[in-house]
Amino acid sequence: GDSVTQMEGPVTLSEEAFLTINCTYTATGYPSLFWYVQYPGEGLQLLLKATKADDKGSNKGFEATYRKETTSFHLEKGSVQVSDSAVYFCALISGYSTLTFGKGTMLLVSP
Amino acid sequence: GAGVSQSPSNKVTEKGKDVELRCDPISGHTALYWYRQSLGQGLEFLIYFQGNSAPDKSGLPSDRFSAERTGGSVSTLTIQRTQQEDSAVYLCASSIQGQTNEKLFFGSGTQLSVL
Repeated sequence: GDSVTQMEGPVTLSEEAFLTINCTYTATGYPSLFWYVQYPGEGLQLLLKATKADDKGSNKGFEATYRKETTSFHLEKGSVQVSDSAVYFCALISGYSTLTFGKGTMLLVSP
Repeated sequence: GAGVSQSPSNKVTEKGKDVELRCDPISGHTALYWYRQSLGQGLEFLIYFQGNSAPDKSGLPSDRFSAERTGGSVSTLTIQRTQQEDSAVYLCASSIQGQTNEKLFFGSGTQLSVL
C-alpha cells in the first residue's frame, strides 16, 4: 500500500538557518504530493503541493520538488523564522480521495 | 462558519465509557473526513463521507468506532467502550467535493484521553 516516510524530529535550528525536512514515498501510479503544517494549538493547513513529476510547490518561502526518480518530496526553506516552529506532515494521494500522511516532523526555531 | 469546528477540544474519559466527538464542516462542503493522530504516529484515516454516497469506513480500527453525518453537514464520531489505546487527537476535515488534489480544511481536533 501507499506510505510516506519522513525524518524524525525534532529538528532544532537557529533563526535564519537553512531547513531541509526529508520525505520519501511509496505509491502505486502517480501520486500527488503535499506538505501540511500544524502550528501549536491549531488545525492542519496545506502548505504546498505538487501534482506531477518535476513540479515545484512553494509557499511562504518553503519549497518542495516532486522527484519521481528518487520518490522524494523534501521540504526546504532558505532562512527559517521563529514563527515557522510547527509540526510538518508530508502526505500523498494516489487515486483515492483520502490522504496518506507521514508521522510528522517537529521543527523548533530559536531566536 | 469560517472554518471546520470540532467539539469538545478536550475530552477526558474513563476506560469503558462511550464518547461522542462532533465535527461541523465548512458550509457547502460535501466531503468530510475523520483522522486520528496518535502520539508518535502519523495521521491515520478513519472514515470519509461524500454527499449522499455510502461512507468509506475502511479506516475504522474496530467495531467500537462508528460515525454518522446527519443532513450532509454535522458529523459525530462515536467510540464505544473506550480503551486507553484510543487516546489520541481526532481530526476532522472537509473539502468542497472530495475530489483528488482538492484542498482539505482541518479542524483543530479533539484531544481524547482515556484513563
